[in-house]
Amino acid sequence: DQQVKQNSPSLSVQEGRISILNCDYTNSMFDYFLWYKKYPAEGPTFLISISSIKDKNEDGRFTVFLNKSAKHLSLHIVPSQPGDSAVYFCAASVGDSNYQLIWGAGTKLIIKP
Amino acid sequence: ETGVTQSPTHLIKTRGQQVTLRCSSQSGHNTVSWYQQALGQGPQFIFQYYREEENGRGNFPPRFSGLQFPNYSSELNVNALELDDSALYLCASSSTANSYEQYFGPGTRLTVT
Repeated sequence: DQQVKQNSPSLSVQEGRISILNCDYTNSMFDYFLWYKKYPAEGPTFLISISSIKDKNEDGRFTVFLNKSAKHLSLHIVPSQPGDSAVYFCAASVGDSNYQLIWGAGTKLIIKP
Repeated sequence: ETGVTQSPTHLIKTRGQQVTLRCSSQSGHNTVSWYQQALGQGPQFIFQYYREEENGRGNFPPRFSGLQFPNYSSELNVNALELDDSALYLCASSSTANSYEQYFGPGTRLTVT
């Protein structure tokens, strides 16, 4: 039972354009969402997060949007840069079990020069 | 500031054997979480240790066990290895037990034959 789904295994975007990575979830009890980025041979690194009481959070080139009614969140990267090429994971957690992150399978983002 | 380190990098074991994986947490962090990442999937939470005590466990059998030491480093032990245990094992440290922001090591690639 996949509670967090990233339906696109890969995404290719031209350098300078917008990258949009999507994530869907099924558990309405999730109240905190995170995006992690992973380079080959390295562990995931925290990128940006959003609480369920918000619908948008921005940090530099990265913006996460949350649509609770659709149980959908997205990560926007503008403008995309070659160093953004990595696997991006969406993760979610519930209330006071917030250390137990439920992860999606990841989307490999490729930025073309 | 020293990041999270894990040893060994790679390991090959035979079904039925036992394995110990090691993790050194980031300086100043007292919490360590372990994750299993199978090929093509997101990480799955195994358990968390906070101040040398298990502080939560995911859906893994008892043959997965752990320890945390006074310096907050940690071990993951897996007994009676099965072929499905082949995966990347990630360790993450955080400054508190309820921190969303976890800092990951590069992982240990375990292959069970």
